[in-house]
Amino acid sequence: DAGITQSPRHKVTETGTPVTLRCHQTENHRYMYWYRQDPGHGLRLIHYSYGVKDTDKGEVSDGYSVSRSKTEDFLLTLESATSSQTSVYFCATGRAGELFFGEGSRLTVL
Amino acid sequence: DQQVKQNSPSLSVQEGRISILNCDYTNSMFDYFLWYKKYPAEGPTFLISISSIKDKNEDGRFTVFLNKSAKHLSLHIVPSQPGDSAVYFCAASAEETSGSRLTFGEGTQLTVNP
Repeated sequence: DAGITQSPRHKVTETGTPVTLRCHQTENHRYMYWYRQDPGHGLRLIHYSYGVKDTDKGEVSDGYSVSRSKTEDFLLTLESATSSQTSVYFCATGRAGELFFGEGSRLTVL
Repeated sequence: DQQVKQNSPSLSVQEGRISILNCDYTNSMFDYFLWYKKYPAEGPTFLISISSIKDKNEDGRFTVFLNKSAKHLSLHIVPSQPGDSAVYFCAASAEETSGSRLTFGEGTQLTVNP
């Protein structure tokens, strides 16, 4: 258990509104990740961070931005939510090739 | 382009029998492989891993086999228990380091019937 907390756990929003999901970790892991889980696609990497203020894109980064101002916090922002971004979002931290996941944030965009 | 593929969306087995979950990959740069288990409304949790220098790794009831020439790995669970019912994700990366990015398969829903 890497002490990962995601908030909010559930959110319903409307198309075009901005949304921010927060990930907080207590293990001081350098690497943090945002994945989304969709049926038939498994887990796909959105963005990741290799340190404070150091981030990079994953395979499905369009429409998402991230920020990491402190080691323990990694924010995922949807600037203008679309229905295709309805998904379950998982934050993870990494150590020695292994990822530790949070419990997920279920986002519904109407 | 699905670099890690789990072709069976679901698998159903009887309690006490063997469960075999399969995974194929296409990227020859992958050399570290993991299996994750996911229960509903929870995040995935690490189950077992294998490095490309091995062809087998065992941890209790769980064994992972790697066939590099076929780009195929499998997870064996013996004996299967009802508590093993979950979604299992195969994952791969190009290196076994803290910064490695994992590529996941689609997942296989395992149901173990009492």
